[in-house]
Amino acid sequence: DAGVTQSPTHLIKTRGQHVTLRCSPISGHKSVSWYQQVLGQGPQFIFQYYEKEERGRGNFPDRFSARQFPNYSSELNVNALLLGDSALYLCASSLVGTSGIFEQFFGPGTRLTVL
Amino acid sequence: AQKVTQAQTEISVVEKEDVTLDCVYETRDTTYYLFWYKQPPSGELVFLIRRNSFDEQNEISGRYSWNFQKSTSSFNFTITASQVVDSAVYFCALSEKNYGQNFVFGPGTRLSVLP
Repeated sequence: DAGVTQSPTHLIKTRGQHVTLRCSPISGHKSVSWYQQVLGQGPQFIFQYYEKEERGRGNFPDRFSARQFPNYSSELNVNALLLGDSALYLCASSLVGTSGIFEQFFGPGTRLTVL
Repeated sequence: AQKVTQAQTEISVVEKEDVTLDCVYETRDTTYYLFWYKQPPSGELVFLIRRNSFDEQNEISGRYSWNFQKSTSSFNFTITASQVVDSAVYFCALSEKNYGQNFVFGPGTRLSVLP
């Protein structure tokens, strides 16, 4: 079975531009979460989506938005890019249930560089 | 508020040595989940273990073992007879049941295993 896939792998943008990152979860996983990982730090939670609805949001500005599609894939959008948005953006998928919190499986990430 | 501390920024050991990676967490919830992930140089986060707050049994998986102690809010990870392939950044993460799939990651410990 395929793991979590993300596209593109690398991206270079300039300040003020907009970017869209894409993620396809593991088959059968209905929850998708997005994380930002700045070099040398741990991942920081941005969003979680489940059944096309936002279920959680981290401490990120409104320039960051996301959505989930009927096939459970997801997009992360970032507007008005700043130099500080340069990071590895990770997508993770997981099962969801009432029995607890499940481990997340991460994709390879999209490396975004803002010049 | 949730918080994860990994006080060891970098550790270097010689192959075949045992090494323990420390993780201390803070949470006000009684139901929470702890995780360890490995991030090799390729960048993809690899899931290692999930533990819920009601299960304090230590776990062993091959050369890996985990020691969960609620009394000290610690969830330490030991690699026995380390190998060069164990070289990676290791992250401890916490999720409170009420926050769903919002994982709070520690800053990570970079482990270098020298031949």
